Amino acid sequence: GENVEQHPSTLSVQEGDSAVIKCTYSDSASNYFPWYKQELGKRPQLIIDIRSNVGEKKDQRIAVTLNKTAKHFSLHITETQPEDSAVYFCAASGSNTGKLIFGQGTTLQVKP
Amino acid sequence: EPEVTQTPSHQVTQMGQEVILRCVPISNHLYFYWYRQILGQKVEFLVSFYNNEISEKSEIFDDQFSVERPDGSNFTLKIRSTKLEDSAMYFCASDREYSNQPQHFGDGTRLSIL
Repeated sequence: GENVEQHPSTLSVQEGDSAVIKCTYSDSASNYFPWYKQELGKRPQLIIDIRSNVGEKKDQRIAVTLNKTAKHFSLHITETQPEDSAVYFCAASGSNTGKLIFGQGTTLQVKP
Repeated sequence: EPEVTQTPSHQVTQMGQEVILRCVPISNHLYFYWYRQILGQKVEFLVSFYNNEISEKSEIFDDQFSVERPDGSNFTLKIRSTKLEDSAMYFCASDREYSNQPQHFGDGTRLSIL
C-alpha cells in the first residue's frame, strides 16, 4: 500500500546550523509533496510544498528538493533558530481524492 | 487569513457513547477531510468528502464512523459507539481542489474516551 518513510525521527542541531529531513514514498503516482510543522498541541501548519513537475523550491530559509526517480524528497532548513524547534511531517498525495499520506515525523530541536 | 474551525477543542466521553465532532471549512473550499493523530504518532487519513459524498476512506474509517455536511457550512464526523482506541486528536482539513493543493488544517478536537 501507500507509504511514506521519514528520517531521522529526532534531530538536534545548534542554532545557526542547517537541518535536513528526508522522506521516501512508495506510490509512483504521487505528485504533490507538502511539509508541515507542528508545535506541541497545535495544528499541522503547511510550511512549503512541491509538485512533481519541479525539482526544487525555496522560501527564505526553507527549501525542498524532489527526486522523482528515486522517489524521495527532502526538507532543508538553513540558519536554524530556536523557534524552528517542532515536529516536522512530510506527506505525499497522488490520489484523485486529495488524501495525504504522512511520514512518521521528525522532532527537531534547535539549541541556542 | 480564513481558517478551518473545529469544535469542541476537547471532548471527554464514556466508552460506548456517540460523539460528533464539528468543523467549519474555509468558505470557498470544496474538498473536506478528516485525519486523526494518536498522541505522539503520525497524522493518519480517515476520509475525504466532496459534493456530499465520501470520495475515499481508510481502513480506520469503519462502520462506526460517518461524515455529513448537514448544511452549507458545517462538516461533521460522528463516531457511533466509541472505543478506548478512538482517543486521539482529530483534525479537519479543507482545500479548493483535490490533488496538488495545500490542505488547511483546523486546530483539532482532542477526543478522550474513558
